[in-house]
Amino acid sequence: DAKTTQPPSMDCAEGRAANLPCNHSTISGNEYVYWYRQIHSQGPQYIIHGLKNNETNEMASLIITEDRKSSTLILPHATLRDTAVYYCIVRPGGFHNTDKLIFGTGTRLQVFP
Amino acid sequence: NAGVTQTPKFRVLKTGQSMTLLCAQDMNHEYMYWYRQDPGMGLRLIHYSVGEGTTAKGEVPDGYNVSRLKKQNFLLGLESAAPSQTSVYFCASSSPWTSLNNEQFFGPGTRLTVL
Repeated sequence: DAKTTQPPSMDCAEGRAANLPCNHSTISGNEYVYWYRQIHSQGPQYIIHGLKNNETNEMASLIITEDRKSSTLILPHATLRDTAVYYCIVRPGGFHNTDKLIFGTGTRLQVFP
Repeated sequence: NAGVTQTPKFRVLKTGQSMTLLCAQDMNHEYMYWYRQDPGMGLRLIHYSVGEGTTAKGEVPDGYNVSRLKKQNFLLGLESAAPSQTSVYFCASSSPWTSLNNEQFFGPGTRLTVL
């Protein structure tokens, strides 16, 4: 499985955009980039995923570089409730996949007032 | 829908005792998973199941057993607990046929301490 590299921690002012980077230089052609977050010891929560196109949903935007070796999760207007550990995960997509997620240590995002 | 529920929420065991953690999901998901999370670490997969009656080993299966007798339930057993198994245990479920995102849904966790 491809590995990911994330900064251990980041700060962001409330109301500003939070940009969380992730390197996945060994990603394979059929592997997707997934983002989950974990708020204070709760179970992880799915945020967004993508293959090679930029994606946006109600929670965040995902920007994947053209060579797919890195990506950035963007929280456009961070709030205090976005304080959490964010995990970038690479895994194969499609059906009949056992969906085994390999979690690293993630990025601890602290949103301050 | 309750989603994914875990029983119990907290437990303290003595070394050598046994216990079973119960995970239940009401989303009709085919796949279920057990993870453990140690302080400051990401989650690590213990065992998983791709359907009723089937189980498979994950990254850290030693010291644990699992059973999936019913589609909605996934049991994690510790036959002889050790202090190294002190951790927070998360259960998750997913279904590639019902979720466009292929996402996993996680339970609230069980905090286990082995003395």
